[in-house]
Amino acid sequence: DIVMTQSPDSLAVSLGERATINCHSSQTILYRPKNRNYLAWYQQKAGQPPKLLIYWASTRASGVPDRFSGSGSGTDFTLTISSLQAEDVAVYFCQQYYSNPPITFGQGTRLEIK
Amino acid sequence: QVQLVQSGSELKKPGASVTLACRTSGYDFTKYDISWVRQAPGKGLEWMGWISTSNGNINYAQIIEDRVTLTTDTSSTTAYMELRNLRPDDTAIYYCVRPYDYGDFHYDFWGQGTLVTVSS
Repeated sequence: DIVMTQSPDSLAVSLGERATINCHSSQTILYRPKNRNYLAWYQQKAGQPPKLLIYWASTRASGVPDRFSGSGSGTDFTLTISSLQAEDVAVYFCQQYYSNPPITFGQGTRLEIK
Repeated sequence: QVQLVQSGSELKKPGASVTLACRTSGYDFTKYDISWVRQAPGKGLEWMGWISTSNGNINYAQIIEDRVTLTTDTSSTTAYMELRNLRPDDTAIYYCVRPYDYGDFHYDFWGQGTLVTVSS
């Protein structure tokens, strides 16, 4: 199984500042014939199901504000929130869908306001 | 619009079985696979398996494949997950999920979740 490891486990950032969350996969999730990284990011607010933010490592899902961006390739990926808003307080998860089964998720990163 | 509406909370004793329903609407049911993901209280996300709604192909997570069965009912556009021989560590919110595009496994659409509590 591909193990997804996020860092940090929790993060406190001031409003308007940049937040960066990292995700490392235990093996490459880049499918070279298609030049695609099989990596997604989700946001989960308290009491709600997760919401898809980013897929193919860097493609924003429909309706996601452009302050959210994804980057990285191979085994190392980053979710960046360029200017933190109060409504961004949540837990963020990365997910690989390169190796299926099983699809695997990172353990989550809790983002709070400093 | 696409909707996945799940059945209500369940309280079960250890060793029992539970069947959860995921009623879909707003799209062609046979064109998109359904997967199931669970989340223990305060914990992360665990993928359980997926089922093709067009040909019935199934893949399960190895960790749970001996206790879980996924099925679908095309006539009612509903997906089901049966989990047997329940244990206290099966206590979790169970989500049915659907991708935006056929064949993808990043999940745009989520049910509201069903809380399953396993306790004696």
